[in-house]
Amino acid sequence: KNQVEQSPQSLIILEGKNCTLQCNYTVSPFSNLRWYKQDTGRGPVSLTIMTFSENTKSNGRYTATLDADTKQSSLHITASQLSDSASYICVVSADNAGKSTFGDGTTLTVKP
Amino acid sequence: EPEVTQTPSHQVTQMGQEVILRCVPISNHLYFYWYRQILGQKVEFLVSFYNNEISEKSEIFDDQFSVERPDGSNFTLKIRSTKLEDSAMYFCAWRGQFFPGANVLTFGAGSRLTVL
Repeated sequence: KNQVEQSPQSLIILEGKNCTLQCNYTVSPFSNLRWYKQDTGRGPVSLTIMTFSENTKSNGRYTATLDADTKQSSLHITASQLSDSASYICVVSADNAGKSTFGDGTTLTVKP
Repeated sequence: EPEVTQTPSHQVTQMGQEVILRCVPISNHLYFYWYRQILGQKVEFLVSFYNNEISEKSEIFDDQFSVERPDGSNFTLKIRSTKLEDSAMYFCAWRGQFFPGANVLTFGAGSRLTVL
């Protein structure tokens, strides 16, 4: 069964600090892995997308890594801001987007 | 890419009533999806729709649900007889046909459904 597990479930950090969110998956065959940011009451917004051959991708202060051998990904947020407070969802697809498997998300709270 | 418009943004309905949620995507997209998210829970896949046909559906998507794109623009999700457990945010999503858009699911802002 395809599964995506994220950790930690929730995280509280101070503004300006860095943090790293983890995603482990068992989806096979693997097509791509995406990180989304979901603000409360809003739809998920794509941050990064990585295919099998990519192991690092950055989007501003967000840097995602992918280890396709160990089936692990991380999302690193640098110099956090209050607006980074949101749920971060890891989504893995076995085909070209298609029916994707969603993680439960990590709820990040950035405090002043 | 601009968000697709979803309407209504919030609907309150009585149990047993029919509800239609609408999504107005960019016309050149071919792949559409409906997802739902019960408050505090993960996003769940409902159905995928390609070339005016359902291509895949989850076990959540039972006979109470239907989707269609009647006029080539609006993409609708109908719940025939709502239940309390249908209360959730419903997200329309789509993706392009060709790389790189083919790899990225883009979500609408969502429609919140409250069943009383």
